[in-house]
Amino acid sequence: DTGVSQNPRHKITKRGQNVTFRCDPISEHNRLYWYRQTLGQGPEFLTYFQNEAQLEKSRLLSDRFSAERPKGSFSTLEIQRTEQGDSAMYLCAILEAGANTGELFFGEGSRLTVL
Amino acid sequence: AQSVAQPEDQVNVAEGNPLTVKCTYSVSGNPYLFWYVQYPNRGLQFLLKYITGDNLVKGSYGFEAEFNKSQTSFHLKKPSALVSDSALYFCAVRDGPGRRALTFGSGTRLQVQP
Repeated sequence: DTGVSQNPRHKITKRGQNVTFRCDPISEHNRLYWYRQTLGQGPEFLTYFQNEAQLEKSRLLSDRFSAERPKGSFSTLEIQRTEQGDSAMYLCAILEAGANTGELFFGEGSRLTVL
Repeated sequence: AQSVAQPEDQVNVAEGNPLTVKCTYSVSGNPYLFWYVQYPNRGLQFLLKYITGDNLVKGSYGFEAEFNKSQTSFHLKKPSALVSDSALYFCAVRDGPGRRALTFGSGTRLQVQP
């Protein structure tokens, strides 16, 4: 157990629909990251929060994607007007508390299938 | 910019034999290097990291990795492979400390045959 819970674990949707994923760290961690992983590839960085502030966004994060961390605890990732190319595993990760040199701890991921 | 290369899509090894999974990196500063393992339909599990100090680092499940600055490599090794080690392995790098995200390689599938 990495201390990161993600929901839903699997979402199947039709093209054009909106979807939202949620990430809940069990305990307080300042830094929270979202990654996307497509089949056969390594995780790709999407965005990063320090507390409630979104400090960095990848160019992969198109304007259809939005992420929030309203109270500095849980985070949501919303995809609007989904496309088939959005089909992927969306991974949430937290940085080991208080450690600039630390590793990321990942949740189990939310798999999105866009039909 | 930071980047990682894993030159092998798949590595096959017989159970009981030593295994090596290769990784090379590119950073402008001091590299912080990590190995993760992923089992089917699961998230990534941390195996080990190199930040500074001894070039040979030991991690979970009997894995170790050797940092080689001159060759910019961080190969994952295990003296005796188990069938249960079969999984997808990812190398990752961060250019120094701080908030920057990890950059991952494309992964290497390790297949250990009984």
